[in-house]
Amino acid sequence: QQQVKQSPQSLIVQKGGISIINCAYENTAFDYFPWYQQFPGKGPALLIAIRPDVSEKKEGRFTISFNKSAKQFSLHIMDSQPGDSATYFCAASLRGAQKLVFGQGTRLTINP
Amino acid sequence: DAGVTQSPTHLIKTRGQHVTLRCSPISGHKSVSWYQQVLGQGPQFIFQYYEKEERGRGNFPDRFSARQFPNYSSELNVNALLLGDSALYLCASSRGQGIGNTIYFGEGSWLTVV
Repeated sequence: QQQVKQSPQSLIVQKGGISIINCAYENTAFDYFPWYQQFPGKGPALLIAIRPDVSEKKEGRFTISFNKSAKQFSLHIMDSQPGDSATYFCAASLRGAQKLVFGQGTRLTINP
Repeated sequence: DAGVTQSPTHLIKTRGQHVTLRCSPISGHKSVSWYQQVLGQGPQFIFQYYEKEERGRGNFPDRFSARQFPNYSSELNVNALLLGDSALYLCASSRGQGIGNTIYFGEGSWLTVV
């Protein structure tokens, strides 16, 4: 119940395309869903986050779509750029707790 | 302002040894958490401290312990190291607890156990 399942494991997208990464969770008590971006040798950096009372949140080229009934959420990266090549992690936490449960990660490669 | 800082950045230890990892949170942040990230996987929660008290513990053996100091810095201790403890250890800090407190990660300490 504490798991967050992320797919795909790896993704290759052409420059300018849309990158889509999906996550699913079981625990309906989760109430905070962040996405982190991690470059090799660096710690995860918060990209964008959403709470279950909204269905979509957009920040620049990054959009989170949230489907509460399906217990799924996804990250869309519009106009993907080579600099977006990194590993992306979805995560979830319980009632504002500081414990994050992470997905397995998606290695995104943007081809120029 | 400086981000979350961790030391050392890399270290190599032998099986059975003990290791101490250190973390300084962002100025003004009172909550510190520790995560273990094995290569190719997502980070796994180990501990959270807030106002110097343990507020959460993940599914890790008692060989793992941590503490938070009056200046809110923290250290993670691992005893009787095993090969499987080789990982990136991440420290994260946030201003407080609860909704609205963004969690910021440091760049981690790479531990190799040989």
